[in-house]
Amino acid sequence: QQQVKQSPQSLIVQKGGISIINCAYENTAFDYFPWYQQFPGKGPALLIAIRPDVSEKKEGRFTISFNKSAKQFSLHIMDSQPGDSATYFCAAGRSGGSNYKLTFGKGTLLTVNP
Amino acid sequence: DTAVSQTPKYLVTQMGNDKSIKCEQNLGHDTMYWYKQDSKKFLKIMFSYNNKELIINETVPNRFSPKSPDKAHLNLHINSLELGDSAVYFCASSHGTPNTGELFFGEGSRLTVL
Repeated sequence: QQQVKQSPQSLIVQKGGISIINCAYENTAFDYFPWYQQFPGKGPALLIAIRPDVSEKKEGRFTISFNKSAKQFSLHIMDSQPGDSATYFCAAGRSGGSNYKLTFGKGTLLTVNP
Repeated sequence: DTAVSQTPKYLVTQMGNDKSIKCEQNLGHDTMYWYKQDSKKFLKIMFSYNNKELIINETVPNRFSPKSPDKAHLNLHINSLELGDSAVYFCASSHGTPNTGELFFGEGSRLTVL
C-alpha cells in the first residue's frame, strides 16, 4: 500500500518556467510534510517542509502548497534554473516521540533545460 | 567535514557472498537509519536505531543485519547476497524523529550483485 502518491514521475521545464510536483496522502494522522532534493550521486537533502497548520510555505523560489481537506500538497519551483535539475521526493510523517518513519513518494525527476 | 559518511561507496560482488557497509555520523544525532533506493529511485526504509536500540525493522530479509556499536555508527551486514539486493543503500541520521527535524543522508553505497 503506497501511502504517499507523487506525480508526475518526470518533468521537463524550460529555464525560467514554473515546475509543479504534486503529492497525495492517505493517512490523516500525517502532520509533517517535507520535500527532499536529490542530485545524481548524492543523498537526498531536505529542501522545505510544512505542517498542516498553514496552507503555504515559501522559501526563496520554492513554495509548498498544502490542502488538508483534499489530503494533497505540492511543490512549486518558480523561475526554474538548470541547477534545479534533480529528483524531488515528497514525504509524510507523524509527529510524536516514537514516530521515526517518514514515508516517501516515488520521486519526480526534474530536468530544467537552458 | 562530512556529516554522514558511508564506506565503501561502491561494491561489486558475486551472488552468495557476504558484504558490509559502514556508516558514521559526526552530527551528534541519536537516531540512525538505513534506506534502500532501487533502480527506480524508490526510497524505502529498512532499519532505524535510536540510542543504539533497534526501533524500526521493516520487512527486510534476515540476511540483512544492522549493528550499532554506538550512537555515531550504524553498520549493515548482508549475507548470501542475491541479484535483487543490487541497489544504492543510504545511511541517514536525525536528532530525535525525522518528523520534528531533518534527515541527513550520506552519499550512498552502490551495491552491484553479479
